[in-house]
Amino acid sequence: EVQLVESGGGLVQPGGSLKLSCAASGFTFSGSHMHWVRQASGKGLEWVGRIGSKADDYALAYDASVKGRFTISRDDSKNTAYLQMNTLRTEDTAVYYCTPWGGTLPPAVGYYWGQGTLVTVSS
Amino acid sequence: QSVPTQPPSASGTPGQRLTISCSGSSANIGSRVVHWYQQLPGTAPKLLIYNNNQRPSGVPDRFSGSKSGTSASLAISGLQSEDEADYYCAAWDGSLNGYDFGTGTKVTVL
Repeated sequence: EVQLVESGGGLVQPGGSLKLSCAASGFTFSGSHMHWVRQASGKGLEWVGRIGSKADDYALAYDASVKGRFTISRDDSKNTAYLQMNTLRTEDTAVYYCTPWGGTLPPAVGYYWGQGTLVTVSS
Repeated sequence: QSVPTQPPSASGTPGQRLTISCSGSSANIGSRVVHWYQQLPGTAPKLLIYNNNQRPSGVPDRFSGSKSGTSASLAISGLQSEDEADYYCAAWDGSLNGYDFGTGTKVTVL
């Protein structure tokens, strides 16, 4: 059974930093891309970015709204993906989800989702 | 960036057929496969349709997807009360190397 558990969310002041984790199990983590998606309260889904697998040289891609402030990484030995968020803004307040793609998984982003972790940026 | 555009809301009575449109661009829908997600209140999204018209295991065949050019559609036949949710289309954007979610449609069953 595929499981994704996001953690690390919380309250942070504008300009601050936070690092989210996504612990994965039930699939071949090392062979999959890992995406991060966020959703502000009452708003739509917004893709944040993704990290490729080792086979893709861990290729990174980010949405323009977070590029230069957020960094995605992964530790295949721990089956965990990370989202380092720096210079946070109030508009980054959202529930953050991780979702895998590729490898032996079905061919679509968002086939599996975690429960999400809430990040609140406020003074 | 041409975010796929959806109508903000759609509604129907039980048993009706409802269609949700998703209008994109040549960079996303026009050149990539389209996926659809259903999000019930307070829950994580759920993949409803992938690769334009494929249903994951467990998704009722009341849900169907199609694509033509730079637009896509999700159809719900035999609308049921439990279909009340937000629906999002999405496609990869090759020009921006990013994943574009549609603006979302709130479906209400009257």
